[in-house]
Amino acid sequence: GAVVSQHPSWVICKSGTSVKIECRSLDFQATTMFWYRQFPKQSLMLMATSNEGSKATYEQGVEKDKFLINHASLTLSTLTVTSAHPEDSSFYICSARRGRQETQYFGPGTRLLVL
Amino acid sequence: AQKVTQAQTEISVVEKEDVTLDCVYETRDTTYYLFWYKQPPSGELVFLIRRNSFDEQNEISGRYSWNFQKSTSSFNFTITASQVVDSAVYFCALTYNTDKLIFGTGTRLQVFP
Repeated sequence: GAVVSQHPSWVICKSGTSVKIECRSLDFQATTMFWYRQFPKQSLMLMATSNEGSKATYEQGVEKDKFLINHASLTLSTLTVTSAHPEDSSFYICSARRGRQETQYFGPGTRLLVL
Repeated sequence: AQKVTQAQTEISVVEKEDVTLDCVYETRDTTYYLFWYKQPPSGELVFLIRRNSFDEQNEISGRYSWNFQKSTSSFNFTITASQVVDSAVYFCALTYNTDKLIFGTGTRLQVFP
């Protein structure tokens, strides 16, 4: 299989601060990475699709100015939650895939708690 | 409309029982892919299987087996002789020409010793 890492795994921050989450594909080059959000006992909600070297495509209802996504290389994508508020507290999980129609491999997720 | 339905919200079994997790999908595309992922309490989604729409062969991997039936738009997952370590949330998912994964709502499996 393919390995995807995420850092940090846990983050607690004060309201108003920005938080950056990294997603790395460790043993393959990922042309596309995806960012999901998951609330307790719910399914995954796709936030955005990120292709290397181009702007991310956000799903309807996701604020692109609040959730900044950068996919600067074939192995790294970052999600920055800007001016985080308590309602942004959630489990954020990324996935990566080699190419179209390929399997998405998921990272271990990041639990964000905004106080 | 593209949709994945996992009607079983939660299943509880005792160790060594067999258990089947149901997945029904809807799509108008003739080319699509179906997946199963496991999400243990730690949170990471673990890839289990991928099946394309042209391959209806059933698959067996150890205690896991999958039954893909296009006639009923189902892709069911069976765990034989379940173990406590199988306790997790299992997600069925579909992808088609948009490349996005459409997830079902998940089935929480609890295996008791």
